[in-house]
Amino acid sequence: GQNIDQPTEMTATEGAIVQINCTYQTSGFNGLFWYQQHAGEAPTFLSYNVLDGLEEKGRFSSFLSRSKGYSYLLLKELQMKDSASYLCAVRDGDYKLSFGAGTTVTVRA
Amino acid sequence: GAVVSQHPSWVICKSGTSVKIECRSLDFQATTMFWYRQFPKQSLMLMATSNEGSKATYEQGVEKDKFLINHASLTLSTLTVTSAHPEDSSFYICSASSGESSYEQYFGPGTRLTVT
Repeated sequence: GQNIDQPTEMTATEGAIVQINCTYQTSGFNGLFWYQQHAGEAPTFLSYNVLDGLEEKGRFSSFLSRSKGYSYLLLKELQMKDSASYLCAVRDGDYKLSFGAGTTVTVRA
Repeated sequence: GAVVSQHPSWVICKSGTSVKIECRSLDFQATTMFWYRQFPKQSLMLMATSNEGSKATYEQGVEKDKFLINHASLTLSTLTVTSAHPEDSSFYICSASSGESSYEQYFGPGTRLTVT
């Protein structure tokens, strides 16, 4: 099984940077995903890491260290619309996703 | 591309009745579909995995006789909640994968089920 931990809540100011950490313990690893989810909506894909290192995509970047079972999602130049829940998910060898509980990010003006 | 729809988007039913939720891949063939359940302020929990033309594989703790899953075609999977009870009230989300070495699961918009 998978054990995935991420902080429950984070608050930041518009224009700032926020880093959401995710640690995992897994019985099989086949990639780590980050999703954004607004209340009452389905998750939307943000990033995917399967090799160690940093993946950058616009204002969002994601980092993975497989040896440490650690990832982070970096959100730069925060905007009000970035207020949402951010889900860390690990995929196992059967292509099943296990999700963390999510981190609620609140962006303040 | 890679659009997944769900119907209905929300449903209210009485305790003891059954509810069917449809999940469709609109512009690709989904060899595998996944069904998740999400309670308020909790994360998505995988309920079952279905492959087209075969029986669904249920996660531990999910009653297969209560949550009937059918994946009859490459673009449609259905989840039927039988004899629904208030504790089944939740947000049900499906996702679909084309299986072509794609790493992504494409999520539907979800169905909000309320059992009274």
